[in-house]
Amino acid sequence: DQQVKQNSPSLSVQEGRISILNCDYTNSMFDYFLWYKKYPAEGPTFLISISSIKDKNEDGRFTVFLNKSAKHLSLHIVPSQPGDSAVYFCAALRHPGNQFYFGTGTSLTVIP
Amino acid sequence: DVKVTQSSRYLVKRTGEKVFLECVQDMDHENMFWYRQDPGLGLRLIYFSYDVKMKEKGDIPEGYSVSREKKERFSLILESASTNQTSMYLCASSPPLGAYNEQFFGPGTRLTVL
Repeated sequence: DQQVKQNSPSLSVQEGRISILNCDYTNSMFDYFLWYKKYPAEGPTFLISISSIKDKNEDGRFTVFLNKSAKHLSLHIVPSQPGDSAVYFCAALRHPGNQFYFGTGTSLTVIP
Repeated sequence: DVKVTQSSRYLVKRTGEKVFLECVQDMDHENMFWYRQDPGLGLRLIYFSYDVKMKEKGDIPEGYSVSREKKERFSLILESASTNQTSMYLCASSPPLGAYNEQFFGPGTRLTVL
């Protein structure tokens, strides 16, 4: 049973425009969320995170928004750059616990 | 600089062979994880370990076992490899979850079972 879902397998965006990647979850006990970026033949690398006590977290070009009532989070990349082309995974976890729950990933292509 | 290393980047094995995938982390992390990544299925947790000699099943443990004899090393074992175990295998580590929550991943092992 997939507790974290990314319903868009792929997304294409023009360079300089905004990329919006979406993620939905079903477990209301999740209290921390992360986004990871993965290039081919490499392991995922941490991008940005947000605690459930916040609704927004910003780091440079990357902003994550959390809507707890809708059980939805999104990652905004502004402006998008060709180097952002990768697969993006959202992940969720709850405390106490040690298990991360990952979505299925969205492949972002930024067109120069 | 934090580091998780995996013993092989690419591996080709035959059906029925016993396969060992090794993972080492140098961050003194308590938690270690094995995932497999398949197209359209994302990262699925196979096993994780929160201490030496401790292990917990993840979502898809069937056909796999693990070993953690030392804190820095976590091994994934395919007792009898099958073609449906062809996948990208990713190891990760993390400190105990609390104020700081992040997993650090290795580069992955692309396993092909013929």
